[in-house]
Amino acid sequence: EVQVLESGGDLVEPGGSLRLSCAASEFTFSTYAMSWVRQAPGKGLEWISSTSGSGATTYYADSVKGRFTVSRDNSKNTLYVQMNSLRVEDTAVYYCAKARTTGGSRDGFEFWGQGTLVTVSS
Amino acid sequence: DIQMTQSPSSLSASVGDRVTITCRASQSVSSYLNWYQQKLGKAPKLLIHGASNLQSGVPSRFSGSGSGTDFTLTISSLQPEDFTTYYCQQSFSIPFTFGPGTKVDIK
Repeated sequence: EVQVLESGGDLVEPGGSLRLSCAASEFTFSTYAMSWVRQAPGKGLEWISSTSGSGATTYYADSVKGRFTVSRDNSKNTLYVQMNSLRVEDTAVYYCAKARTTGGSRDGFEFWGQGTLVTVSS
Repeated sequence: DIQMTQSPSSLSASVGDRVTITCRASQSVSSYLNWYQQKLGKAPKLLIHGASNLQSGVPSRFSGSGSGTDFTLTISSLQPEDFTTYYCQQSFSIPFTFGPGTKVDIK
């Protein structure tokens, strides 16, 4: 069964940094685009980034561009997001999601992890 | 950026009712429109991809239609497990924006 599992969420002060991981299993990780989506407490879903299977192409939402960096290690079947210069408004549950097909993220996000909570507060 | 709106923002219905949720894009997204269901405290679940394609394993009471800028999600006969929140998402262009959600609760 396909699984994606996020980790690394924590309480961090404004201006701080954090790295989230997303471990994937039971599919050929390197052939699927992966995405990060976040959800602030009580709010809706916000797409923040998608990266191709190879990691060669990555897109970001303006709200995180220049502060967040997404990478992947296909030898470890793991997706990462390095979050720097964190702001209070980055407080959210962060989900990673697998693309539905090998055609890329445009085909929908088929499998999601359970999410990991990032709290930015002093 | 393409803005997504959903209507209504919430609705009350009864088991067995037919329910329709509308999603509108600020510009054409062709058929790159997906619908997700999210239960409280859980990850979203893909219901419909490509505007009208039922995701594998999703009950046939769910259906989607539309293209361009106007889309609908229909639940033909509401079941107790369907009372939750639904989001549309466009995957036509970056950023892949979501609608604000529609909460379906029990009348």
